[in-house]
Amino acid sequence: DTGVSQNPRHKITKRGQNVTFRCDPISEHNRLYWYRQTLGQGPEFLTYFQNEAQLEKSRLLSDRFSAERPKGSFSTLEIQRTEQGDSAMYLCASSLALGYTFGSGTRLTVV
Amino acid sequence: AQSVTQPDIHITVSEGASLELRCNYSYGATPYLFWYVQSPGQGLQLLLKYFSGDTLVQGIKGFEAEFKRSQSSFNLRKPSVHWSDAAEYFCAVGADSGAGSYQLTFGKGTKLSVIP
Repeated sequence: DTGVSQNPRHKITKRGQNVTFRCDPISEHNRLYWYRQTLGQGPEFLTYFQNEAQLEKSRLLSDRFSAERPKGSFSTLEIQRTEQGDSAMYLCASSLALGYTFGSGTRLTVV
Repeated sequence: AQSVTQPDIHITVSEGASLELRCNYSYGATPYLFWYVQSPGQGLQLLLKYFSGDTLVQGIKGFEAEFKRSQSSFNLRKPSVHWSDAAEYFCAVGADSGAGSYQLTFGKGTKLSVIP
């Protein structure tokens, strides 16, 4: 399967803990995106990488959030000091240009 | 900034009936438009996309959508719905933010239920 892979699929964490999610994009795709989807809403843009460079960040991405894409391959999204409001589905997508391929997402529950 | 409105939160149709899901967008230039489908707990699957050219776009699973610039609409249609089409459908508009990101703005989605 050469789709976008996200791990873990589900994560339950206690408030205040740090969590990290991983995304493995389609290998030839140079663009990588992170989106967040809360219950009953459409996905909202968080951040964008072109190769290893993080070129755009949404104002939704507070200073507790950090994303990396070392060597322009896989990407990680870390949330520090999690809050209950961080509970959501975190979606990764990759593309060459227009038209993304999404992964299955990581469902985060903060208790 | 671009925006997308999906006026119907929930639609119920009978299996075999036709379907139309509405989508209106707001964007100053020629939009890039998409329809995605999401099953519960899953990621989003691309159904179809419009970039330019023919305003009637064919997608996967028998879906089609028509771009109407005068109405700022990109409605999704299917002539005969199958029970497996029950899911949530999202319309999105894409725009180059200037950093080359082609960021997508999604509507809030329309949940489709199919009754036998």
